[in-house]
Amino acid sequence: SQTIHQWPATLVQPVGSPLSLECTVEGTSNPNLYWYRQAAGRGLQLLFYSVGIGQISSEVPQNLSASRPQDRQFILSSKKLLLSDSGFYLCAWSVGGISNQPQHFGDGTRLSIL
Amino acid sequence: GNSVTQMEGPVTLSEEAFLTINCTYTATGYPSLFWYVQYPGEGLQLLLKATKADDKGSNKGFEATYRKETTSFHLEKGSVQVSDSAVYFCALSVTGTYKYIFGTGTRLKVLA
Repeated sequence: SQTIHQWPATLVQPVGSPLSLECTVEGTSNPNLYWYRQAAGRGLQLLFYSVGIGQISSEVPQNLSASRPQDRQFILSSKKLLLSDSGFYLCAWSVGGISNQPQHFGDGTRLSIL
Repeated sequence: GNSVTQMEGPVTLSEEAFLTINCTYTATGYPSLFWYVQYPGEGLQLLLKATKADDKGSNKGFEATYRKETTSFHLEKGSVQVSDSAVYFCALSVTGTYKYIFGTGTRLKVLA
């Protein structure tokens, strides 16, 4: 069966520090991968998605970047965090090459910027 | 364009009450529709899905029917439990892409 791992679960970082959140998927090949941000009490904002290694689509201009160095690894990064980067970050995957399939989410990372 | 509109919450019900959470959508093409549930501090879990008009998705006592004529996908459960307290998200897949549109979520509180 397929599993998705996201870490760390919580992170407290000072303004201006760098960020690296990692997500890995097991049990499937060439998945579509996604990063979302969920602000407190609000819906999901799609940040990035990827349909293959090295292929990244950015949805919202921002202080963040994403990379996919391996087929089942998706990394969210920032060189300098802003206060507005606080939130709950969710990684998700869906079956590659087929649209209209459900997404499957990790447990999320709660990021607090001080 | 594509969008999903959910009823505002929170929805507060007594245990064993009937639940309806409304969801309407606008979409081009033939999207699939989904309901996800999020428990506090966790990620989203797929609750049910429907891939074409008149399909009924069901799981754990929850049901939703894909209504193309009313562009709706309302979530229902006949008898809610305290353990159903969570945030529920309606979502659609954007036809011809690998992207998804989510509603803003509806918080459900079930009181014993």
